[in-house]
Amino acid sequence: EAGVTQFPSHSVIEKGQTVTLRCDPISGHDNLYWYRRVMGKEIKFLLHFVKESKQDESGMPNNRFLAERTGGTYSTLKVQPAELEDSGVYFCASSQERLDGGELFFGEGSRLTVL
Amino acid sequence: GENVEQHPSTLSVQEGDSAVIKCTYSDSASNYFPWYKQELGKRPQLIIDIRSNVGEKKDQRIAVTLNKTAKHFSLHITETQPEDSAVYFCAARRGLTGGGNKLTFGTGTQLKVEL
Repeated sequence: EAGVTQFPSHSVIEKGQTVTLRCDPISGHDNLYWYRRVMGKEIKFLLHFVKESKQDESGMPNNRFLAERTGGTYSTLKVQPAELEDSGVYFCASSQERLDGGELFFGEGSRLTVL
Repeated sequence: GENVEQHPSTLSVQEGDSAVIKCTYSDSASNYFPWYKQELGKRPQLIIDIRSNVGEKKDQRIAVTLNKTAKHFSLHITETQPEDSAVYFCAARRGLTGGGNKLTFGTGTQLKVEL
């Protein structure tokens, strides 16, 4: 069974440009999460989808970030316009809907470098 | 909100020695504490977890202990091997009511096992 897949694995853009990251969760996982790790710091929560609905977007840094999950399958995270401080590794994770929360499965991440 | 502190940030041990990584959390409502291992260039993977109703859990060479009163938990790796070299993240999560699988992570520990 395929794990969580993310694309691209690495993106280098200039300040002011736009980047769109994509995440395909494990099939059947209703819960999808975006996290980000800035160099040397913690992996920080950005937002949580349950199917196509945003359950919690309290971690989104500002309105330059837009996440979507149309149809409740794959998700995209768009950064527009990108700033230097947006550089980092963006992780997507998914989990089943379970009473005990279930295990969180991560993708390999999309490394974003803003120059 | 929850805050998780993790120490040390780097740890170097000789092969065969033990390694201990410590984390503290701030939210007394947290009741689930997973540990993730991230090898270079790969995805974070769950290696062990503990819930607040137990004080210790062991799986072969790895063990986790939890002290709810002091709000700290630790990862213990015995008989370390070169393949244990990776970044280890601790995390904490509140009860599932409305929170989904939203984890708060520590800043990570780079473990290096030297031959």
